[in-house]
Amino acid sequence: DADVTQTPRNRITKTGKRIMLECSQTKGHDRMYWYRQDPGLGLRLIYYSFDVKDINKGEISDGYSVSRQAQAKFSLSLESAIPNQTALYFCATSDFSEGSDGYTFGSGTRLTVV
Amino acid sequence: DQQVKQNSPSLSVQEGRISILNCDYTNSMFDYFLWYKKYPAEGPTFLISISSIKDKNEDGRFTVFLNKSAKHLSLHIVPSQPGDSAVYFCAASTNTDKLIFGTGTRLQVFP
Repeated sequence: DADVTQTPRNRITKTGKRIMLECSQTKGHDRMYWYRQDPGLGLRLIYYSFDVKDINKGEISDGYSVSRQAQAKFSLSLESAIPNQTALYFCATSDFSEGSDGYTFGSGTRLTVV
Repeated sequence: DQQVKQNSPSLSVQEGRISILNCDYTNSMFDYFLWYKKYPAEGPTFLISISSIKDKNEDGRFTVFLNKSAKHLSLHIVPSQPGDSAVYFCAASTNTDKLIFGTGTRLQVFP
């Protein structure tokens, strides 16, 4: 099993619909992150959580919300999806300290909003 | 504003030659830098890192150089192999905080 699992892998949804992307990890890491990848823009941080009671906005949080249900689970919701939220979404975990290997990423969720 | 920039969206190199990928940053508070590699349909994977107290870190064919005065980071791959063909992201952080990623460079290594 993968260390970081994202579901679904692919999703097509209509404008205005609410959608949830889920992420679970078996790494035992406290920190979890949601990024989106867009061509020419790289990876941009949406939300991050350093423990179950800690939620922080990233660079591009507007239109998104998150829930940290447990140490191992971090969900991203699009309250009312719009076409410019079409992107590749990645969840990541970390136990970040100098000398560590940074983040472990999931395989991504490709979301298309039509 | 993009705090971490990779100005070359793509790079093509012949197998066996050196690949040099560049990254510039604007935040002088960044103290830890990493390179990630991404294949299609997969998440990014960690490649190599460097602390701001160093100017070079080497791991096999991969070497990362850091020039703090120029706020510039580079990744050297020698010799380049076809399996190195992927998108490479540089990333930076302050005080083990969240990572800020660059825009990525697509490397193609041809025979």
